[in-house]
Amino acid sequence: AQTVTQSQPEMSVQEAETVTLSCTYDTSESDYYLFWYKQPPSRQMILVIRQEAYKQQNATENRFSVNFQKAAKSFSLKISDSQLGDAAMYFCASMYSGGGADGLTFGKGTHLIIQP
Amino acid sequence: DAMVIQNPRYQVTQFGKPVTLSCSQTLNHNVMYWYQQKSSQAPKLLFHYYDKDFNNEADTPDNFQSRRPNTSFCFLDIRSPGLGDAAMYLCATSSAPAGVLGGIQYFGAGTRLSVL
Repeated sequence: AQTVTQSQPEMSVQEAETVTLSCTYDTSESDYYLFWYKQPPSRQMILVIRQEAYKQQNATENRFSVNFQKAAKSFSLKISDSQLGDAAMYFCASMYSGGGADGLTFGKGTHLIIQP
Repeated sequence: DAMVIQNPRYQVTQFGKPVTLSCSQTLNHNVMYWYQQKSSQAPKLLFHYYDKDFNNEADTPDNFQSRRPNTSFCFLDIRSPGLGDAAMYLCATSSAPAGVLGGIQYFGAGTRLSVL
């Protein structure tokens, strides 16, 4: 079984500043993926970034990067140069990669507010 | 451009009255998922179809059923909705086996179900 914990129900950041969202997970699997998904109000959830557990290098997508600490089972998301459009609910999720079609296990989410 | 489409966006039903939610996709993905997302909670996987094979999560109530008549469509049937079934229902798709884009799921905007 997998569990994902997001300890920050809400975060606020000034526009153009940097913010880090925390996530910890627990899994007995050796092969898994980790994800951050963004869910804007009344819109569909979209992928922000993905990390394969066997890769040591942290994933980066433009202003979004992760700090993946496998031993600590930590997977935080850093958003640089925050923009108003970044305001959304952010979900951390894990998935066993060996099955090919397993579902995602989500955390409860962090509501990110961007202050203009 | 919408790739995963859920209809309707809002559904109101009466206690005990069967209801069907629909999901269609233009991605030609072979896996389709249904998640339940209650207010302030993490999305929770109900079941998924891998091609025509139905995979039910162990703790999904029998009240929830699903049908997938073809690759493009998937339905969620709630046979006798209770007040506790009020939630956002998310449909997602992915391509399996994992491959280069392993694990990435594409979501619809969801159907918000109210039970009166």
